[in-house]
Amino acid sequence: GAGVSQSPSNKVTEKGKDVELRCDPISGHTALYWYRQRLGQGLEFLIYFQGNSAPDKSGLPSDRFSAERTGESVSTLTIQRTQQEDSAVYLCASSLNSGTYNEQFFGPGTRLTVL
Amino acid sequence: GENVEQHPSTLSVQEGDSAVIKCTYSDSASNYFPWYKQELGKRPQLIIDIRSNVGEKKDQRIAVTLNKTAKHFSLHITETQPEDSAVYFCAASIKGANNLFFGTGTRLTVIP
Repeated sequence: GAGVSQSPSNKVTEKGKDVELRCDPISGHTALYWYRQRLGQGLEFLIYFQGNSAPDKSGLPSDRFSAERTGESVSTLTIQRTQQEDSAVYLCASSLNSGTYNEQFFGPGTRLTVL
Repeated sequence: GENVEQHPSTLSVQEGDSAVIKCTYSDSASNYFPWYKQELGKRPQLIIDIRSNVGEKKDQRIAVTLNKTAKHFSLHITETQPEDSAVYFCAASIKGANNLFFGTGTRLTVIP
């Protein structure tokens, strides 16, 4: 079946502009995660959604970052007033359920470049 | 929170040789340790994982070992092939938590 999809695949924006990134999880997956991957670095956790529970926002680096998810479907990550240090690949992942042992399936990522 | 360190950052091996990548973690409450492979320009994909109640797990040419006392775990790839060339990430998850804490990655190059 279809995997996790993300759009756009690439986004170039000017410093100070807002951007919105989209993630479509695998159908039926209740858990959804956003990660940031800076060049040459590992994946940095940003936010986690599980069903209708309150999201775990503990990884968001500043109040310029926010995310929403409609039920168990699409999620959007919004970065307001982008800065050059926001340049990175933003990866979305989904898993069948929450909990430690559930494999996370990653999307292809959105490469964000802030000029 | 959890801190995962990964070594080496780059590794080159001759085709057919073995490759070993090592990771350490800081939080003794971590109980799940997956390894992801990320080929150039592609998404990370799970290749093997281990839970804290076992010390070793094998799947064909790859194996993972876990030493809970020392808080380190390793990925072993035997009989390496050019298609094993990729960036490998280790990760750890704390019991009861939902997110993964990733290492900084190892770029493996298998030389034909």
